[in-house]
Amino acid sequence: GQSLEQPSEVTAVEGAIVQINCTYQTSGFYGLSWYQQHDGGAPTFLSYNALDGLEETGRFSSFLSRSDSYGYLLLQELQMKDSASYFCAVRDTGGFKTIFGAGTRLFVKA
Amino acid sequence: DAGVIQSPRHEVTEMGQEVTLRCKPISGHNSLFWYRQTMMRGLELLIYFNNNVPIDDSGMPEDRFSAKMPNASFSTLKIQPSEPRDSAVYFCASQRGDPTDTQYFGPGTRLTVL
Repeated sequence: GQSLEQPSEVTAVEGAIVQINCTYQTSGFYGLSWYQQHDGGAPTFLSYNALDGLEETGRFSSFLSRSDSYGYLLLQELQMKDSASYFCAVRDTGGFKTIFGAGTRLFVKA
Repeated sequence: DAGVIQSPRHEVTEMGQEVTLRCKPISGHNSLFWYRQTMMRGLELLIYFNNNVPIDDSGMPEDRFSAKMPNASFSTLKIQPSEPRDSAVYFCASQRGDPTDTQYFGPGTRLTVL
């Protein structure tokens, strides 16, 4: 079967750094994506890793290790607006079919 | 660009009624996806199309669900007959033809079946 594991909830303080981990077990793998979703909103794309290593986009970075079937999202200089749910998602071998994790709820406190 | 457009944004219906959700993908995007999100099951892929052709509908829960994409700018997801357990937020997303491209989600349709 296909499964993605990520923590259900993380709490951090404004200005801090937080890491959200994701492990996956899928029949095929094309890449790992991260999405952000605020309450009542739609998922919005944050980053995509097809190869091992770190991808940086502003305050957000994402890492992938294909040999370990593991990735993480790193959020730096946390702001209150970063309070949201974060989903890791695996694209299958063809690159289109996407399986989402259950999501990690991030609470940023002042 | 207008982004992915979905209608209606909210739908309340009674059990047994037919429900049709609509989606207009971003112009130039060749792939279209229908997702369902609930607290219990999270975000599930129902079906996706490439160049208007359904590629994988293994996520469609049962025969009561059907999806069509008659042209590159329009898709529908139909539930007939609807049941209370179909209550969820339904998202449509689109993507260009390259597998590495980003999927862009529409605002979703919140469906409530009484």
